[in-house]
Amino acid sequence: SAVISQKPSRDICQRGTSLTIQCQVDSQVTMMFWYRQQPGQSLTLIATANQGSEATYESGFVIDKFPISRPNLTFSTLTVSNMSPEDSSIYLCSGRQGWNEKLFFGSGTQLSVL
Amino acid sequence: GQQLNQSPQSMFIQEGEDVSMNCTSSSIFNTWLWYKQDPGEGPVLLIALYKAGELTSNGRLTAQFGITRKDSFLNISASIPSDVGIYFCAGQEETSGSRLTFGEGTQLTVNP
Repeated sequence: SAVISQKPSRDICQRGTSLTIQCQVDSQVTMMFWYRQQPGQSLTLIATANQGSEATYESGFVIDKFPISRPNLTFSTLTVSNMSPEDSSIYLCSGRQGWNEKLFFGSGTQLSVL
Repeated sequence: GQQLNQSPQSMFIQEGEDVSMNCTSSSIFNTWLWYKQDPGEGPVLLIALYKAGELTSNGRLTAQFGITRKDSFLNISASIPSDVGIYFCAGQEETSGSRLTFGEGTQLTVNP
């Protein structure tokens, strides 16, 4: 299994600012994903972070709002841009070795926007 | 898009009781995963299932991949207080590439 470290673990931000979340995996993973989990809800996929190229976004999520970087096979960042209170959520990084392999999660970033 | 129906939404049980929860989909899945999430933490993988009919155990947990490939269940036997948490199923469609769809979760409360 892969160990995924995410930081910050939580943050309180002002409306209109941006926050970058970092995700570090202890081993190379083929695939990395970013999920959002709103209070009391299930997990929603934001995007697939592609190594060396632009991320693949799910319906309802756009690059201008959630820019993602993945410079190598062990690291990715998600930025939540121009935040509003509706962005208050848990953001989760995840990774898997292959398309049909187990998916592991980081401990999440609890974001509150005032 | 694909929907996963997970039930029940919540359960309140006494310590020592057995628990069962399940997920159903409208499409055929080739992978089912079951996770547990504690407050303030990310989901932790409990069991992974890869073929129809597969029955897999992890301690007191048992999960099965339905033979129709459209459902899966998770059983917890002899529950203990630390079983409290939210349990999620996740499935991968044959046609979805590597993306997983998550169920809505089952909130489990165990009374000592």
